[in-house]
Amino acid sequence: EADIYQTPRYLVIGTGKKITLECSQTMGHDKMYWYQQDPGMELHLIHYSYGVNSTEKGDLSSESTVSRIRTEHFPLTLESARPSHTSQYLCASSELREAGEQYFGPGTRLTVT
Amino acid sequence: AQSVTQLGSHVSVSEGALVLLRCNYSSSVPPYLFWYVQYPNQGLQLLLKYTSAATLVKGINGFEAEFKKSETSFHLTKPSAHMSDAAEYFCAVSFYSTLTFGKGTMLLVSP
Repeated sequence: EADIYQTPRYLVIGTGKKITLECSQTMGHDKMYWYQQDPGMELHLIHYSYGVNSTEKGDLSSESTVSRIRTEHFPLTLESARPSHTSQYLCASSELREAGEQYFGPGTRLTVT
Repeated sequence: AQSVTQLGSHVSVSEGALVLLRCNYSSSVPPYLFWYVQYPNQGLQLLLKYTSAATLVKGINGFEAEFKKSETSFHLTKPSAHMSDAAEYFCAVSFYSTLTFGKGTMLLVSP
């Protein structure tokens, strides 16, 4: 079944640790996205990719980085986690066409202590 | 630049009552508009989308939305609320396949 997956679902980690949030999709989509969502707030786009070897920064400045080596995989990395990084991170994918809707993964809730 | 305004961070209805969630947009080009729903601890699920075809769009779970260009609105409605509709709802506008989301409206349904 075509879907989009995120791991881990929940992560509690100490300050200064390096973390990678995984996102994979089996929908054959070219475009992928990372959003940051604080409780009760709207989603903010932090990274997106048009395809392999393409990465772009979104509207919200983020200290995280992303890579796109394979079409189906779009991991997000924080080199040194801080409490200000505590948030929910949502991954999504879509076709390249203008009106293509985005399909979302279940999210990773990150807490940095 | 594109933007979305959702009026009311919380909307409370009784089970069986009409649901109306408001969304106004600003767009420099003809917009593509979306409504998504988010249940607790889950990602977003597409309810419906407007792509310049019919102005009245029907979605999943009995929801529909009407695009009104003169009012720059795309309000979401459902004739009769169910308890299972309690969730957060996000309106979004698309620009070159990048979505701009509203702040969301939490729908509370009481028995």
